[in-house]
Amino acid sequence: DVKVTQSSRYLVKRTGEKVFLECVQDMDHENMFWYRQDPGLGLRLIYFSYDVKMKEKGDIPEGYSVSREKKERFSLILESASTNQTSMYLCASSLVRGTPNQPQHFGDGTRLSIL
Amino acid sequence: QKEVEQNSGPLSVPEGAIASLNCTYSDRGSQSFFWYRQYSGKSPELIMSIYSNGDKEDGRFTAQLNKASQYVSLLIRDSQPSDSATYLCAVNLWGTSYGKLTFGQGTILTVHP
Repeated sequence: DVKVTQSSRYLVKRTGEKVFLECVQDMDHENMFWYRQDPGLGLRLIYFSYDVKMKEKGDIPEGYSVSREKKERFSLILESASTNQTSMYLCASSLVRGTPNQPQHFGDGTRLSIL
Repeated sequence: QKEVEQNSGPLSVPEGAIASLNCTYSDRGSQSFFWYRQYSGKSPELIMSIYSNGDKEDGRFTAQLNKASQYVSLLIRDSQPSDSATYLCAVNLWGTSYGKLTFGQGTILTVHP
């Protein structure tokens, strides 16, 4: 089974802090993704990565950055946390195996509160 | 127009009934389709993948794909209270790369005893 592990289930930070969310997958997946999920807004893609050191912006990248120094690890960084970044953050990974595309597998999520 | 659209719900069915969840998508050339189940406060869990026209069955779940009509559906037979969750349809839309998926807004299903 695919295992995607997010470092924290719950996190409370203060406005202006730099926040790191970590995600590790154990299945040698090439693709990794960061989403946030808010009531009524569904899943929104923040950033994704298709290889080590490669990244692309998703739909809502403002206020976030990412890092992928190793294939199994994908980090989301909130440069200066703000209250509107309070949300559930979900990491996912998927395998590249030509066509058709493989499904994404999600971690348990991190519920982040910015006070 | 939303790229992936699900029936708005919420959907309520009695225990033992068939629950039918529907999803339409915008791009005819799309090839990969997935259904996820998400319990309240939890992360999405993959329950079905479908790539070819027709039906795919897995236990009490059947996914149906009709590419000509651009819809994919999920049937849950003999619904149980434990099936109560939000169901997300996800599509790898034509022209997107790197395994990106577009998710529908979800349909909330409640199975009442």
